Amino acid sequence: GAVVSQHPSWVICKSGTSVKIECRSLDFQATTMFWYRQFPKQSLMLMATSNEGSKATYEQGVEKDKFLINHASLTLSTLTVTSAHPEDSSFYICSAIRGGDTEAFFGQGTRLTVV
Amino acid sequence: RKEVEQDPGPFNVPEGATVAFNCTYSNSASQSFFWYRQDCRKEPKLLMSVYSSGNEDGRFTAQLNRASQYISLLIRDSKLSDSATYLCVVTLNNNDMRFGAGTRLTVKP
Repeated sequence: GAVVSQHPSWVICKSGTSVKIECRSLDFQATTMFWYRQFPKQSLMLMATSNEGSKATYEQGVEKDKFLINHASLTLSTLTVTSAHPEDSSFYICSAIRGGDTEAFFGQGTRLTVV
Repeated sequence: RKEVEQDPGPFNVPEGATVAFNCTYSNSASQSFFWYRQDCRKEPKLLMSVYSSGNEDGRFTAQLNRASQYISLLIRDSKLSDSATYLCVVTLNNNDMRFGAGTRLTVKP
């Protein structure tokens, strides 16, 4: 099956610093990658959709200058949380779709804690 | 109105019980439908796709009613290992996935 690897799995950072999260499709080319955020006891909320080589499309209410997404290749997308605040503490998950598929494959998630 | 609505539960059932979850969606242009399972602090994993004709996978049966914009999941003969949060997922035509808030199931001995 298709594998999506997300790194790091957890990170603690200080307020004001930036954190980069990587999402890699290991055995397929991902035409589209998605980034989600999940607060405790809540559902996954789509933050942005990322297509290789083009700018990400952000959902309403998600600051594109704060959550920088780079989809440099068909196997790698990165999410950078800039100037992190404690309220950015959350579980961030990426997913990837193979060309022609509708099924999404999820990374393991990254638990971010901003102190 | 939320795009995808689920009863959050929790559902607490004994082993061997049959339990059903329901989900409604608001966008009539939705293309694809899925049930995902999410264990605590883990990523969602695909449980099964949902088709208009209904589909079954072992103890799990999923149904889709496009006219009513309604999806269901039935679990028969519940196992302790079925304890998880079940997410109803609807995909729009641009592959954007919209998640329900999830229904928490606890199966007890």
